[in-house]
Amino acid sequence: DQQVKQNSPSLSVQEGRISILNCDYTNSMFDYFLWYKKYPAEGPTFLISISSIKDKNEDGRFTVFLNKSAKHLSLHIVPSQPGDSAVYFCAASALGYSTLTFGKGTMLLVSP
Amino acid sequence: SQTIHQWPATLVQPVGSPLSLECTVEGTSNPNLYWYRQAAGRGLQLLFYSVGIGQISSEVPQNLSASRPQDRQFILSSKKLLLSDSGFYLCAWTPRQFTGATNEKLFFGSGTQLSVL
Repeated sequence: DQQVKQNSPSLSVQEGRISILNCDYTNSMFDYFLWYKKYPAEGPTFLISISSIKDKNEDGRFTVFLNKSAKHLSLHIVPSQPGDSAVYFCAASALGYSTLTFGKGTMLLVSP
Repeated sequence: SQTIHQWPATLVQPVGSPLSLECTVEGTSNPNLYWYRQAAGRGLQLLFYSVGIGQISSEVPQNLSASRPQDRQFILSSKKLLLSDSGFYLCAWTPRQFTGATNEKLFFGSGTQLSVL
């Protein structure tokens, strides 16, 4: 049973436009959410996170929105750049647990 | 600063051969250590994690095992590799105080691409 779901395996966006990556979760115990970015043949790197007590967190071109009632979060990238092309993983954690649960990832391709 | 080392970067092994992947962390003490695998269509799957020397938790029953002989060393092993063991293996660490709900994150190594033929 997948507790963190990224239903879009891939997304294509033109440079300068907005990229929206979505993530759904089923475990109501999750209260902290993270996005990781991964280039081919490299380890994932942390991008941005949000606590369940917030509904929005912004860091430069990246904004994460959380809708707790819908158990849904999204990552917005504005404006998108070709260097943003990578696989983006959504992850969640629960208080008292030492592990993160990841989704399957969404491959973002930003074309010039 | 903390760094994580993982080797080798790539590995091609025949079916039935043994496996040993090593990961070490520098610049921190008592980290939590993790092995993840990225396989086609499966995302990042947690295989093992360890909160201390000799303490290993297995998330998925399979053909692999993990050991933590030293505080900052984590080893992933197999006695006989299967074709299905192919994938991109990632070691990661967090501070020991990682509670899952604070502003902490997993730090990943550069990964090992394992191809079992």
